[in-house]
Amino acid sequence: DAGVIQSPRHEVTEMGQEVTLRCKPISGHDYLFWYRQTMMRGLELLIYFNNNVPIDDSGMPEDRFSAKMPNASFSTLKIQPSEPRDSAVYFCASSPRRRLNTEAFFGQGTRLTVV
Amino acid sequence: GEDVEQSLFLSVREGDSSVINCTYTDSSSTYLYWYKQEPGAGLQLLTYIFSNMDMKQDQRLTVLLNKKDKHLSLRIADTQTGDSAIYFCAESISGANNLFFGTGTRLTVIP
Repeated sequence: DAGVIQSPRHEVTEMGQEVTLRCKPISGHDYLFWYRQTMMRGLELLIYFNNNVPIDDSGMPEDRFSAKMPNASFSTLKIQPSEPRDSAVYFCASSPRRRLNTEAFFGQGTRLTVV
Repeated sequence: GEDVEQSLFLSVREGDSSVINCTYTDSSSTYLYWYKQEPGAGLQLLTYIFSNMDMKQDQRLTVLLNKKDKHLSLRIADTQTGDSAIYFCAESISGANNLFFGTGTRLTVIP
């Protein structure tokens, strides 16, 4: 398997524009996570899915953020409208179903810059 | 709640040992992990330890777990410049499906 694949790797957009980040998890993994990494706040969990269903979205900062997982092999994180403070690296991770060991496999991240 | 803490920075000289420390608050941790993030890359799992163990060794890496004090450490022997990265500790908790990450420790290896 190629691992977790994210696109694009880099995104530069103007304030107010819609941004869509994409993720393809590892085949067979039941859990998918979206994280945001900034210098100020470190690594934050935004939302995670189990079998394509959103389980916990309490980390989503505002209504401007939304995430979907229409099938087991694809997820999107959308920001509309984007703001400069959304600039960060966004990571997608996936994890197989295990009772106790929830090891996560990370993608390479999308570096978002909102100007 | 879950709170995982690490110091932000560590500098060591090449060839010395590095010790990165982590404390956590939830006593129902099942597994504890160390992830490495190189510049411009995602997090990669380095090693993990089950909560009923107190030590795990893997080549240059030694993980020590003090469950009583809720303290986890990662020792890197003979630290190399290629070890320069951010190191995250994380815990999984019984009944939860996600990992809880620390803030990360930026390790700088001085040649």
